[in-house]
Amino acid sequence: KNQVEQSPQSLIILEGKNCTLQCNYTVSPFSNLRWYKQDTGRGPVSLTIMTFSENTKSNGRYTATLDADTKQSSLHITASQLSDSASYICVGSSLSGGYNKLIFGAGTRLAVHP
Amino acid sequence: DTEVTQTPKHLVMGMTNKKSLKCEQHMGHRAMYWYKQKAKKPPELMFVYSYEKLSINESVPSRFSPECPNSSLLNLHLHALQPEDSALYLCASSQTPSSTDTQYFGPGTRLTVL
Repeated sequence: KNQVEQSPQSLIILEGKNCTLQCNYTVSPFSNLRWYKQDTGRGPVSLTIMTFSENTKSNGRYTATLDADTKQSSLHITASQLSDSASYICVGSSLSGGYNKLIFGAGTRLAVHP
Repeated sequence: DTEVTQTPKHLVMGMTNKKSLKCEQHMGHRAMYWYKQKAKKPPELMFVYSYEKLSINESVPSRFSPECPNSSLLNLHLHALQPEDSALYLCASSQTPSSTDTQYFGPGTRLTVL
C-alpha cells in the first residue's frame, strides 16, 4: 500500500534556529518525492522535487535530502524565520496508468516563536 | 506566471443551494485537478482532467460535478451538499497528467455547508 509517514507531527522552535523534518515513504512505482509548504487556509506551495537519483536539493534556506535505499527523506530549515510557521507536507509521486498520483503525508506543523 | 487562481475565496451555502467553484490557470498546463482538504488533514484527490477530458473520478458523490470548458478553466458545480462536505477545496494544475514537474495549487475555496 502506498503511504507517506512524517515526523514529528508538530514542532516548536525559536526564531533563528535550525530544524529537520522527517519523512518515510512506501511508494511504488516511485516517480519522485516532493516537499510542500502550506500556510493555514491556503494552498500548498512546492519547495522541492527529487527523483530517485537525486540525494539533495536546496531552495533558499530549505534543503531536502533523499535516500532511495532506505526510502527516507528529510527537510532541513536553516535560520528559521517567523514566516516559516506552516505545515510541511512530504508527498510521494507514483506514475501509474499515465497519471502521476500524489500520495500525501499528514504533514508536520511547525511553529516558529520569537 | 505560475499562478492558479480560485474564486470565490469563501462560500457559505445551504443544503438546497446550487453553487459553483471556479479555477483558472494561464500556464498552458493540460492537467487540472480538484482536491478536498479537511482541517489538519492532507488533501484528497477528487477529479483529474487531462486535455480537457475527465480522466479520473475518485468515487466522488454525484452532488459534485466537475466541468472543464477549456484548457484554462476548471469548474466544480455543487448541488444538494451535506454539512460534512464543508472543507477547503483546492484546484491544481501541471504540465501534463504524467508530468514529474510541480503541481501548482491555487489558494483554495473555503466552503461551509449549513
